[in-house]
Amino acid sequence: AQTVTQSQPEMSVQEAETVTLSCTYDTSENNYYLFWYKQPPSRQMILVIRQEAYKQQNATENRFSVNFQKAAKSFSLKISDSQLGDTAMYFCAFLGLQGAQKLVFGQGTRLTINP
Amino acid sequence: EAGVTQSPTHLIKTRGQQATLRCSPISGHTSVYWYQQALGLGLQFLLWYDEGEERNRGNFPPRFSGRQFPNYSSELNVNALELEDSALYLCASNKPGQRRYEQYFGPGTRLTVT
Repeated sequence: AQTVTQSQPEMSVQEAETVTLSCTYDTSENNYYLFWYKQPPSRQMILVIRQEAYKQQNATENRFSVNFQKAAKSFSLKISDSQLGDTAMYFCAFLGLQGAQKLVFGQGTRLTINP
Repeated sequence: EAGVTQSPTHLIKTRGQQATLRCSPISGHTSVYWYQQALGLGLQFLLWYDEGEERNRGNFPPRFSGRQFPNYSSELNVNALELEDSALYLCASNKPGQRRYEQYFGPGTRLTVT
């Protein structure tokens, strides 16, 4: 079974700073997807960024980028020029391509951006 | 494009009752997923429906069930409610095609069992 671990329950940075959220996972599959989701206090889960395991190039979406290390099974999220609206719970998620198309989530990291 | 919608927003039930939660996927999306987000347990996969069929279920008892209608909307039914069923229930959808592995979530239904 796949597992996803986020070792930072909470993080706090000042506005405009850069912050990196960590995520590690365990799987025996070779083909899979990894995602970062954001859940603000409104509780709507929002897809931030995705990474296909077969792609070596790290995904980037505006201020959000990932550092995907397949051999190390590591998938960190970097938020540049952080904004107050980035305050939220961030979940790392794994989706294997064999069998059930279910997302396996980490425990989440509560990120607070301070003015 | 309208997002995934869920109803009701909040639902309060007493132990032993039944709860019905509803989800409408994004237009063009044919798969619906249900997840439970309970305090201390994180987000757990409940059910997956695709083209009207249940494709997979998570490690939940049979009193959690559901269905998908011809218009791809879905219902989650929870029978014989227990206190530990109190949670945020999230619905997600995706569509066949190139981005079929991306799941888009609704705002959730907060179920409280007293």
